[in-house]
Amino acid sequence: EIVLTQSPDFQSVTPKEKVTITCRASQSIGSSLHWYQQKPDQSPKLLIKYASQSISGVPSRFSGSGSGTDFTLTINSLEAEDAATYYCHQSSSLPFTFGPGTKVDIK
Amino acid sequence: QLQLQESGSGLVKPSQTLSLTCAVSGGSISSGGYSWSWIRQPPGKGLEWIGYIYHSGSTYYNPSLKSRVTISVDRSKNQFSLKLSSVTAADTAVYYCAREAGLGGAFDIWGQGTMVTVSS
Repeated sequence: EIVLTQSPDFQSVTPKEKVTITCRASQSIGSSLHWYQQKPDQSPKLLIKYASQSISGVPSRFSGSGSGTDFTLTINSLEAEDAATYYCHQSSSLPFTFGPGTKVDIK
Repeated sequence: QLQLQESGSGLVKPSQTLSLTCAVSGGSISSGGYSWSWIRQPPGKGLEWIGYIYHSGSTYYNPSLKSRVTISVDRSKNQFSLKLSSVTAADTAVYYCAREAGLGGAFDIWGQGTMVTVSS
């Protein structure tokens, strides 16, 4: 099973600041890494697929990069509505797995 | 716009079987190129993938739950289902159904989730 780790676990950020979340895989997964945003009492929402591909309707301030074992989700100019927990997910090999999540709080 | 809606028992007794259904609307579950998954999230914790059923009917289950899980599809009702046997308190969670765009893709559409509590 591929294990995903995320850092940091928690980040408190001021609006308009840049946020960087990293996801590391226990073995190479190519670009089969996806990012989700989950707000309290909501289901997860797909933000980025295949490491860096944008999703229609997702604000352009969200971007992803990386391949192999190291990936990054970047939120440029954070807005208050971005307060949420962010998860990475690998679909390179079964069973599919998720990272533990990074909670982003607004100062 | 395709939508998913979970339904089922919100309270299950220990050792019994949890049963949930995911109704698909706005599209056909038989459309090629998609798989249909169940994912759960214990209160205050992260996401755990349970398994999927492919449009062909083939299934794959997370080895951590494999002995207790069955996912099936009812094409006539355009829905798929989850059965989890011998439940314990550790199975208490919000259960989501989700669509994956092709084997090895992202979960692009999610249901709103349904809370299942295991308690006597």
